[in-house]
Amino acid sequence: GIQVEQSPPDLILQEGANSTLRCNFSDSVNNLQWFHQNPWGQLINLFYIPSGTKQNGRLSATTVATERYSLLYISSSQTTDSGVYFCAGLDRGSNYKLTFGKGTLLTVNP
Amino acid sequence: GAVVSQHPSRVICKSGTSVKIECRSLDFQATTMFWYRQFPKQSLMLMATSNEGSKATYEQGVEKDKFLINHASLTLSTLTVTSAHPEDSSFYICSARAPGTSVNETQYFGPGTRLLVL
Repeated sequence: GIQVEQSPPDLILQEGANSTLRCNFSDSVNNLQWFHQNPWGQLINLFYIPSGTKQNGRLSATTVATERYSLLYISSSQTTDSGVYFCAGLDRGSNYKLTFGKGTLLTVNP
Repeated sequence: GAVVSQHPSRVICKSGTSVKIECRSLDFQATTMFWYRQFPKQSLMLMATSNEGSKATYEQGVEKDKFLINHASLTLSTLTVTSAHPEDSSFYICSARAPGTSVNETQYFGPGTRLLVL
């Protein structure tokens, strides 16, 4: 089955700092997505990124499919960035099921 | 676009009762919906895949007779937790895939339902 591993499990930052979250995934992953789960539990789509680099404001993501990893960059972090960041791998062969990593709990302190 | 709603947002019930959770895609038709369960400080675990007009496909270890799924229309899927017990207390999240869009492989998630069984 699909394997998705995230690091670090926890990250504490001061407001304004930059951070990099990593996601390693197995060969059977076709595509990669990044989500942010806010403190109320809502999952928010950040990036659908099977390969290459995408940017959205202070967030950007890069997936190197040939090396089976993806990175999520958060620049100039704000307290509202706090929450859990998940990456998830898509298995097209299994009716588009997503397998989630264990997440990175980000805490941004004022 | 691609908004998914869930109802109720939270529910408290007595042990032995059944609870129904609704998942709706508000502005698109979802041929496939997914149901996840998330325990505190853990990741999302897929319970089942729900296809409109057909039986749901359950993940290994998920009891289909306990977690009844009905995907009666292209915009509605329901999860019924039958004879709920305290160990069923969890955060239940649905998602829907939006085929035919530019990013048709992504899933859009509902806000979740917190179930507490006393």
